Amino acid sequence: EAQVTQNPRYLITVTGKKLTVTCSQNMNHEYMSWYRQDPGLGLRQIYYSMNVEVTDKGDVPEGYKVSRKEKRNFPLILESPSPNQTSLYFCASSLEATGPMNTEAFFGQGTRLTVV
Amino acid sequence: QQPVQSPQAVILREGEDAVINCSSSKALYSVHWYRQKHGEAPVFLMILLKGGEQKGHEKISASFNEKKQQSSLYLTASQLSYSGTYFCGTEGRGSTLGRLYFGRGTQLTVWP
Repeated sequence: EAQVTQNPRYLITVTGKKLTVTCSQNMNHEYMSWYRQDPGLGLRQIYYSMNVEVTDKGDVPEGYKVSRKEKRNFPLILESPSPNQTSLYFCASSLEATGPMNTEAFFGQGTRLTVV
Repeated sequence: QQPVQSPQAVILREGEDAVINCSSSKALYSVHWYRQKHGEAPVFLMILLKGGEQKGHEKISASFNEKKQQSSLYLTASQLSYSGTYFCGTEGRGSTLGRLYFGRGTQLTVWP
């Protein structure tokens, strides 16, 4: 089954404790991206990757890191989480690299992160 | 470059129609529409491409006016299953190629 898999689905952590949210897709997609969703703000892009070893900042990259060492994986790293990073996070992938909007985005099931 | 959606919320009875609008201050080359049900991931509905090509959902339609930098999603004879939050998405170009911008969403509630 074609899918984007995120783990974990739920996470409660303490301020400053490094964490990683994993994202994997099995569709051989070139493009992958991370979003955070907060009430009333919609989906805001954190980082995106148009190909292996190529990553770029989105709207809200502060406090996050990503890597794209393999085509299928795109982990999101919070080196020192803070309470304002409490949010719902989505990973997504699309087939094309140069025109991500020309093909649909497939979203993972989301990770609800709470930082206390 | 976040697109602006209107209205913010719509409440309908089953069988009624609704229109959700999406506008951008930047030139549009394509517009995506997604629906998100509570507690779930956004799901692709359709994409509208510059030049008029349209792909997507069989029971929901959309228009794309490149000159006005607007898109509208039309939900006719709404069903209970249409309830959810609808997002439009637009793409960056040039120096922002690869960036994706989503509107804040329109919450649609359909009552029996």
